[in-house]
Amino acid sequence: DAKTTQPPSMDCAEGRAANLPCNHSTISGNEYVYWYRQIHSQGPQYIIHGLKNNETNEMASLIITEDRKSSTLILPHATLRDTAVYYCIAAAFAGGTSYGKLTFGQGTILTVHP
Amino acid sequence: DAGVTQSPTHLIKTRGQHVTLRCSPISGHKSVSWYQQVLGQGPQFIFQYYEKEERGRGNFPDRFSARQFPNYSSELNVNALLLGDSALYLCASTSGSSYNSPLHFGNGTRLTVT
Repeated sequence: DAKTTQPPSMDCAEGRAANLPCNHSTISGNEYVYWYRQIHSQGPQYIIHGLKNNETNEMASLIITEDRKSSTLILPHATLRDTAVYYCIAAAFAGGTSYGKLTFGQGTILTVHP
Repeated sequence: DAGVTQSPTHLIKTRGQHVTLRCSPISGHKSVSWYQQVLGQGPQFIFQYYEKEERGRGNFPDRFSARQFPNYSSELNVNALLLGDSALYLCASTSGSSYNSPLHFGNGTRLTVT
C-alpha cells in the first residue's frame, strides 16, 4: 500500500467546512483512497472512498487531484460530533475473494470547536 | 441491521495466560479481518479470513492465531500473553465482492494484560 501523509492535527469552527488534506504521491494505478475516522473508544468508521473521480455521499466529499498524488476530505458543515482522528489510506482492492488489509498511519486529529 | 459485534468489550488477563476474542460480522459478509490498536497509534493488521480460509497475515508472532467458522464468525486467539499485548483489538468485515464493499469495524475488545 502506498504511504500517505497527513497533518497531525487541525482545528475547525462548528458550522464551517473542514478540509482535511492527504498526500499519497506514490499511489499506484489500482489503489483507491479510503477515508475512515475514529471517535474516542470506538472502532474506525468508514467515510468515503474513490479511485480518480471526485465522490460525495451523505457524510462527506472526496476531492482527488488529477495526478492522484493528493486528496482532500471535505466535511461541509462540521459539528462537535465530527471531532475525531481521520485516517487517509491508499489500498488496492484485491478483487474477487479478499479485501481486508488497510495500512493505517497516525491520521489527523480534527478538533471542532464551538 | 446489526453492525460488527465483538465480545467481550473489556478483558483483563495476566501475563502468560491465553485469551480468545470473538467477532460476528455483518450479515452477508464473508470476510473478517482482525486489527490491533495500541494506545496512540493507528490500527495494525493481524489477519484476514475469507470463506473460512486465511487470506492474509500481518507481522505478528505465532502466538496470535485465528479461525473463521461456517457462519462466518471468527475468533482471535493469543497465547502466552505479554504486557505489550495490551491493546484494543478490532474486528472488521466486508462482503469482499467488490471495491464498493468497504471494511466495517466493530467497537473492539479492550484487552489489558497485567
